[in-house]
Amino acid sequence: AQSVAQPEDQVNVAEGNPLTVKCTYSVSGNPYLFWYVQYPNRGLQFLLKYITGDNLVKGSYGFEAEFNKSQTSFHLKKPSALVSDSALYFCAVRARYNFNKFYFGSGTKLNVKP
Amino acid sequence: EAGVAQSPRYKIIEKRQSVAFWCNPISGHATLYWYQQILGQGPKLLIQFQNNGVVDDSQLPKDRFSAERLKGVDSTLKIQPAKLEDSAVYLCASSKPTPGEETQYFGPGTRLLVL
Repeated sequence: AQSVAQPEDQVNVAEGNPLTVKCTYSVSGNPYLFWYVQYPNRGLQFLLKYITGDNLVKGSYGFEAEFNKSQTSFHLKKPSALVSDSALYFCAVRARYNFNKFYFGSGTKLNVKP
Repeated sequence: EAGVAQSPRYKIIEKRQSVAFWCNPISGHATLYWYQQILGQGPKLLIQFQNNGVVDDSQLPKDRFSAERLKGVDSTLKIQPAKLEDSAVYLCASSKPTPGEETQYFGPGTRLLVL
């Protein structure tokens, strides 16, 4: 079965420290990979995506993500966290050939403390 | 460029009543998605349209949920009759179906509370 796993329900980090939000997937056929952020009472906002090429992808608000094909992972990272980064983060995977179907992880709540 | 529009933003109904949500995708986006997001969970795809045709509705509870996209632009999702467990945020998203344009863009969602 196709699936996306975000093993941590919550990640706590101090402002200024690096952060990592983990994502692994089980979707066949070299899928596209995405990260979205959701602020309270808002829809999901696109952060970044991996389609092909360099394994390190840079996105909005200083976020980046590293694709690891052998580990089927796509971890979200930021060198220095801000309090305003506190939100809910979703990893999503889009199958290339199955009618472009999206699979979402369950989300990770990021708490950045001053 | 205007984003995905949804209305209403909030809706409170009693169980067994009916409710409808509206979505207008980004102009030129042929693919439209409806998701259900229950509190504390990730979005679950209910139905996916390509223009006015249904691509995937495998997770749509067809005994009570229906959706249409008659002219291939805006879409309506209906629940009739509603159950308590339908309380959730209903998200609409759209994308272009072409390679390199795979990103889904989401609307603000409709928060439904069924009492």
